[in-house]
Amino acid sequence: EPEVTQTPSHQVTQMGQEVILRCVPISNHLYFYWYRQILGQKVEFLVSFYNNEISEKSEIFDDQFSVERPDGSNFTLKIRSTKLEDSAMYFCASSEVGSPSYNEQFFGPGTRLTVL
Amino acid sequence: DQQVKQNSPSLSVQEGRISILNCDYTNSMFDYFLWYKKYPAEGPTFLISISSIKDKNEDGRFTVFLNKSAKHLSLHIVPSQPGDSAVYFCAASAGMDTGRRALTFGSGTRLQVQP
Repeated sequence: EPEVTQTPSHQVTQMGQEVILRCVPISNHLYFYWYRQILGQKVEFLVSFYNNEISEKSEIFDDQFSVERPDGSNFTLKIRSTKLEDSAMYFCASSEVGSPSYNEQFFGPGTRLTVL
Repeated sequence: DQQVKQNSPSLSVQEGRISILNCDYTNSMFDYFLWYKKYPAEGPTFLISISSIKDKNEDGRFTVFLNKSAKHLSLHIVPSQPGDSAVYFCAASAGMDTGRRALTFGSGTRLQVQP
């Protein structure tokens, strides 16, 4: 069964450093997403991406964050200068475009980001 | 932000019985609802969804009911199995007409199915 994959599973970084989290969405999906879950809190939407551009973003997704689809399979989230409060589990997700499964989003296993 | 609320943090049921997980929402713009299951150290796994034009959707042992007037949905699992023990998240989105797809999640309900 096709699945979303994410690398690395755990990333430790120093405050102020740049990190890139990588995802390979399900191959026939065209919508891609990043979510995060801070320990003990809800899963929160960060950004959605379609047709090589951001289609929606939350207030969390500020100028420190960027997303890119550098090739036909990868989808990345970059955090330019990490802060302590960026420590969280980051989930990538993907979905098809049309109905009836219009917004059934399939999640990867997550990358745990620890900022020291 | 409490747009999607799961008021029961935990639920324990006996194997073979029905599990009912509840979810309430406040945003009347939500038009698509989903349930996810999550094991520790894994990503959410999609279970079942329902659009606002329906009041019930069934898939095997899982049935989701939507009561739009009450802004309430529930997930029924029949019969419950020990492997169903996990955290269940309700999620909603408000974009079938506009194309918006951001999911708003509830805080989750931990289901434990006792053998």
